[in-house]
Amino acid sequence: SQKIEQNSEALNIQEGKTATLTCNYTNYSPAYLQWYRQDPGRGPVFLLLIRENEKEKRKERLKVTFDTTLKQSLFHITASQPADSATYLCAHTTGGSYIPTFGRGTSLIVHP
Amino acid sequence: GAVVSQHPSRVICKSGTSVKIECRSLDFQATTMFWYRQFPKQSLMLMATSNEGSKATYEQGVEKDKFLINHASLTLSTLTVTSAHPEDSSFYICSAGRDRRGILPETQYFGPGTRLLVL
Repeated sequence: SQKIEQNSEALNIQEGKTATLTCNYTNYSPAYLQWYRQDPGRGPVFLLLIRENEKEKRKERLKVTFDTTLKQSLFHITASQPADSATYLCAHTTGGSYIPTFGRGTSLIVHP
Repeated sequence: GAVVSQHPSRVICKSGTSVKIECRSLDFQATTMFWYRQFPKQSLMLMATSNEGSKATYEQGVEKDKFLINHASLTLSTLTVTSAHPEDSSFYICSAGRDRRGILPETQYFGPGTRLLVL
């Protein structure tokens, strides 16, 4: 079965730096990958979607890359701020199914 | 647009009672809604797919008689935890994809979640 792997250890960075989070998947390539932000005690909030034929997607300070050779997606937050501190979830969806499979998420802590 | 609400946000109940959680898409229609369960520091686990006008599709290992799902309209789905026990205590989250005229939705919009504590 498909597995989505995200670093379970929290990522601690200094304000102003670029945060890079990793999402790895096993087996077959997803039709698309999504990244969500989840704050404690809240539901996830959609951030970005990248399709298998896309290399990169940007939205303001956010950037997502998709490498089907490495079976990996990277999520970048440039000029990070303490308000960016949250858990970031990667979700994988295969063609023919629109139900995503979620990773466990990586906690990002941005220190002022 | 694409706002999903859940009610209640928190509920505490006694063991053996039933609890109903509502999920509403406020500004869009959703033929399909999803119910997830999340334990602390764990991933979202899909419990069931709620289909408007038909029976829900449950994931393997989820008891359909315990977690009753009703999708009464294109904007409302309810999850009822029947005869709740302490092990049912968890964070329940619903989501919906915006209907796109026969095209399967891609992005899911999540509700804020419901924290259930069974004593």
